[in-house]
Amino acid sequence: QQPVQSPQAVILREGEDAVINCSSSKALYSVHWYRQKHGEAPVFLMILLKGGEQKGHEKISASFNEKKQQSSLYLTASQLSYSGTYFCGTESGTGFQKLVFGTGTRLLVSP
Amino acid sequence: NAGVTQTPKFQVLKTGQSMTLQCAQDMNHNSMYWYRQDPGMGLRLIYYSASEGTTDKGEVPNGYNVSRLNKREFSLRLESAAPSQTSVYFCASSAAFPPLHFGNGTRLTVT
Repeated sequence: QQPVQSPQAVILREGEDAVINCSSSKALYSVHWYRQKHGEAPVFLMILLKGGEQKGHEKISASFNEKKQQSSLYLTASQLSYSGTYFCGTESGTGFQKLVFGTGTRLLVSP
Repeated sequence: NAGVTQTPKFQVLKTGQSMTLQCAQDMNHNSMYWYRQDPGMGLRLIYYSASEGTTDKGEVPNGYNVSRLNKREFSLRLESAAPSQTSVYFCASSAAFPPLHFGNGTRLTVT
């Protein structure tokens, strides 16, 4: 079963912050975040491992709450380049080769 | 460095026709994958190959066959295309650990 992402879409002005959530009905071993710009391939952002700490990539960071089976992606002081669709991929013990991706959150950052 | 290369970029088929989507990677990765992406559905795994000589079903394998020709190449075949197979198809590869590296996709329309 696919993880649920929220919100489905968000519009920001440059410099604003956003949080994207990913929730699963299954126990999670890891959560993987990807970003896809329109017409392009998905690109890896970061991975959160069970028992691991919060990860960060410049102004994009993420957390993983194993007990709640949830992960959140935090985008701080958004830039125009952050626009795209964000996907979480969840691993539930079957190995990362069988990630199950959420339906995506479309983010638009305007000037 | 080319990464993951998919051919063709676009294809239009009539119902019942067959075709093979080609994928090659030059990163010496063991694992390769085929995903389909439909609006509102995110990325769904069709088949994957953990290593040369092995293939395994993903979430949506019906109507598809795959061949891991060698370590570099992984093809996806539609024997009798159906309109429900209209989608964007992504090939990806990975080492023994994440992340996945995606190709630029093949946009397939079945009429």
